[in-house]
Amino acid sequence: EDKVVQSPLSLVVHEGDTVTLNCSYEVTNFRSLLWYKQEKKAPTFLFMLTSSGIEKKSGRLSSILDKKELFSILNITATQTGDSAIYLCAVVGTSGSRLTFGEGTQLTVNP
Amino acid sequence: DSGVTQTPKHLITATGQRVTLRCSPRSGDLSVYWYQQSLDQGLQFLIQYYNGEERAKGNILERFSAQQFPDLHSELNLSSLELGDSALYFCASSVSGATEAFFGQGTRLTVV
Repeated sequence: EDKVVQSPLSLVVHEGDTVTLNCSYEVTNFRSLLWYKQEKKAPTFLFMLTSSGIEKKSGRLSSILDKKELFSILNITATQTGDSAIYLCAVVGTSGSRLTFGEGTQLTVNP
Repeated sequence: DSGVTQTPKHLITATGQRVTLRCSPRSGDLSVYWYQQSLDQGLQFLIQYYNGEERAKGNILERFSAQQFPDLHSELNLSSLELGDSALYFCASSVSGATEAFFGQGTRLTVV
């Protein structure tokens, strides 16, 4: 069974800090790893990393995938209060038939 | 706005009742997923459909069922509801099983 473990489970920082969120996984026939941000309701898509795209960047957010060590990190630089959310990591394995999510990291950015 | 539409947004019903949650995927997406998110729990995969056919099943209770119609919208049916079924139910869609999935705003179900 596919498994995703995220750490830390929660994190409190001050505006301007840089944070690193971790995601380790076990999956049969890895296809992709995805990061989502969940604020009040629906998770919103951030990045998808695959064997052919192991590093992604968008503004202050960046993510890398280490397929050998089976983990990914999400970096957020110069954090803002609007970055406060739950960050979810998910993997897609065999047949691309589901996203298996981790428990998420609750990030709180204080002014 | 992800382009995935879920209705209703909120639903309050009594134990033992049956409800139907509806999802319209993004235009062009063939794959629909249903997830349950209970308080303080992660997203639990329920079921996936691809172009009208069931593709994968997660920890979906026998009291729950789903289908995807020819126009690609999907419905999740929950019957004999129990208090523990109270949760946020999300629908997500993707072009295929291997591409990023986009989530609807969810249906908050409260069973009283």
